[in-house]
Amino acid sequence: SAVISQKPSRDICQRGTSLTIQCQVDSQVTMMFWYRQQPGQSLTLIATANQGSEATYESGFVIDKFPISRPNLTFSTLTVSNMSPEDSSIYLCSVERSFGGYTFGSGTRLTVV
Amino acid sequence: KQEVTQIPAALSVPEGENLVLNCSFTDSAIYNLQWFRQDPGKGLTSLLLIQSSQREQTSGRLNASLDKSSGRSTLYIAASQPGDSATYLCAVGSRGRRALTFGSGTRLQVQP
Repeated sequence: SAVISQKPSRDICQRGTSLTIQCQVDSQVTMMFWYRQQPGQSLTLIATANQGSEATYESGFVIDKFPISRPNLTFSTLTVSNMSPEDSSIYLCSVERSFGGYTFGSGTRLTVV
Repeated sequence: KQEVTQIPAALSVPEGENLVLNCSFTDSAIYNLQWFRQDPGKGLTSLLLIQSSQREQTSGRLNASLDKSSGRSTLYIAASQPGDSATYLCAVGSRGRRALTFGSGTRLQVQP
């Protein structure tokens, strides 16, 4: 099953700046998913990233705020742009495993001050 | 649109008790259901995966069942231990949507 390396594991950022989160998968996968988990909440899908095409964003999330790159079948990045304290969350990437089910990265805990 | 609900939102039990966590979903056209565990501030650990053709899965002290027709799943934890304290998340993979839809979780505290 796929193993995902996600980094950074945590960061404290100033408002107005941007942070790029990276996910590296140890095998080729067609789709990667990015989720946000706000404090005390469950996970909400931000977007689905396919290699070679633009990411598909869920309602309430826009490319200008959360640009995603997917340069190859093992790597993706999510950028949180022009951050505000409301962006403080855990961000997680995920892939679907070959036999079904999903694996998640260890998460990036972002605090915006 | 798939919606996933988990009951109870929080649960506190003494060590050794058997307990049941509930998950319900609105659209029965699923291809799998997955239970995860999340420790505070951490990522997700997969516990059990049930394919749509299956009725249950077991791993150690954990047993998960699936009833697609009624839109329900339960996670049974036998002989609970303090180390089981965590948030348990139910997530559904629906036909036509490759990403998971998550419930809001059950926060479990097992008292020593």
